[in-house]
Amino acid sequence: AQSVTQLGSHVSVSEGALVLLRCNYSSSVPPYLFWYVQYPNQGLQLLLKYTTGATLVKGINGFEAEFKKSETSFHLTKPSAHMSDAAEYFCAVSNLDTGRRALTFGSGTRLQVQP
Amino acid sequence: GAVVSQHPSRVICKSGTSVKIECRSLDFQATTMFWYRQFPKKSLMLMATSNEGSKATYEQGVEKDKFLINHASLTLSTLTVTSAHPEDSSFYICSARAGGSTDTQYFGPGTRLTVL
Repeated sequence: AQSVTQLGSHVSVSEGALVLLRCNYSSSVPPYLFWYVQYPNQGLQLLLKYTTGATLVKGINGFEAEFKKSETSFHLTKPSAHMSDAAEYFCAVSNLDTGRRALTFGSGTRLQVQP
Repeated sequence: GAVVSQHPSRVICKSGTSVKIECRSLDFQATTMFWYRQFPKKSLMLMATSNEGSKATYEQGVEKDKFLINHASLTLSTLTVTSAHPEDSSFYICSARAGGSTDTQYFGPGTRLTVL
């Protein structure tokens, strides 16, 4: 079974400041990990994913995440926040052990960017 | 990139009626599609996994007779909410898996269902 924990339901940063959104996972098998962003009343857009290989993954809009197996973490970062980054962010793990490939989502983190 | 559409984007219906939501993969074939439900300010909860040409697999606690899923082709899955009630009001989101080994799912824009 898989699970995802996102620490902090709300994160507020100033424009230009570092963005750090935390995600920890548990998985009985090697995980595939994802970060998605959701704007109000819209579906989810894939930011980045980790499957195998390089543990530092770069995504769209300047975001990146690092897979740390020893810490079971996949935190999302961006060096400089932009107003347009304000949204809900979801970390997810792929449900590989059942073979059905469904995603298990964290509870989400709402990012606010202050001017 | 892979695009998934949903129709309608918003629907309001009376209690007791049925509502059909379509999910289409526009530029790729999806052998597997997923249906999620999202409550206000909550995360996505998987309802069912839809496989082309076979019966859907429902998650525990999801009524298969209430949420009918049909995956008739490699680009279309439908979710029908039968005899809808106000508690069925929610944001329904589908996703389609593009295949291969990376398990990337592409999400539709969602359907807001309001049952009066």
